Amino acid sequence: EVQLVESGGGLVQPGGSLTLSCEASGFTFSANWMTWVRQAPGKGLEWVANIKPDGSGTYCVDSVKGRFTISRDNAKNSLYLQMTSLRAEDTAVYYCARDQTGWAVAAGWGQGTLVTVSS
Amino acid sequence: QTVVTQEPSLTVSPGGTVTLTCASSTGPVTSGYYPNWFQQKPGQAPRALIYSTTNKHSWTPARFSGSLLGGKAALTLSGVQPEDEAEYFCLLYCGGYQHWVFGGGTKLTVL
Repeated sequence: EVQLVESGGGLVQPGGSLTLSCEASGFTFSANWMTWVRQAPGKGLEWVANIKPDGSGTYCVDSVKGRFTISRDNAKNSLYLQMTSLRAEDTAVYYCARDQTGWAVAAGWGQGTLVTVSS
Repeated sequence: QTVVTQEPSLTVSPGGTVTLTCASSTGPVTSGYYPNWFQQKPGQAPRALIYSTTNKHSWTPARFSGSLLGGKAALTLSGVQPEDEAEYFCLLYCGGYQHWVFGGGTKLTVL
C-alpha cells in the first residue's frame, strides 16, 4: 500500500525557517517524480515544487523561488521541503504527493502537515 | 503568468450529467497541457481522478471522464451520485517558470 507521511509542520514566526519531511513507503520511491502542493486555509490548491527521481532537477513556483528548496534522499525514501524567510502568506497545509508515469501528477497524496506563519 | 480558470460552482441533480471546464489565460488548452483532475472533500486530502487529459487512475469511477472541449479541458460526470459532491481542481502543465498551475476549483453540489 502506497503511504506518504508528512511531518515537520508547526507555528513559526515571520522570517523564520522550517523543514518539512515526507516519508514514503509501498512503492519504488527512487523511480518517481515527487511533488509538494499547498493549500491555504479555505483556499484552493497551489502547486509548489517538484523534483526528478534522481534529484538532478527541481522546479518551483515563482512565489517561493529563492526561499524554498525541494530535495530528496532516495536511500531513506524521503522527500523534503526546506522553507526559509517564511511569510504569513505561506500559511497552509503542505501535501507531499507522488507522481506517476504518463504525466500523472500527484497520483497519491499524504495527509498533509499544517504550517502557520504568525507572530 | 498563466491563470487557470474553472467555474466557481455548479449544481447537478442525482443521476444527472455535468461538465466542469478548465481554461488557460494563454489560449486554448491542448493535450500538451497534460490536464489532470482532482477531487477534494471537506477535511480530506485531494484524490487524483484523471491524468493527461483522458486517462483514468485504477481507482477512478467509470462515471468520470476527461476530454478537451471548445479549447478547454473538461471533466464530465455521468450519472452523478450524492457522494460526488466535492470540490474539483484541474491542473495544467504551463512549462517555463510556472511549470504546473492549478485552477481555482469548482464546488459541485448534488441537489
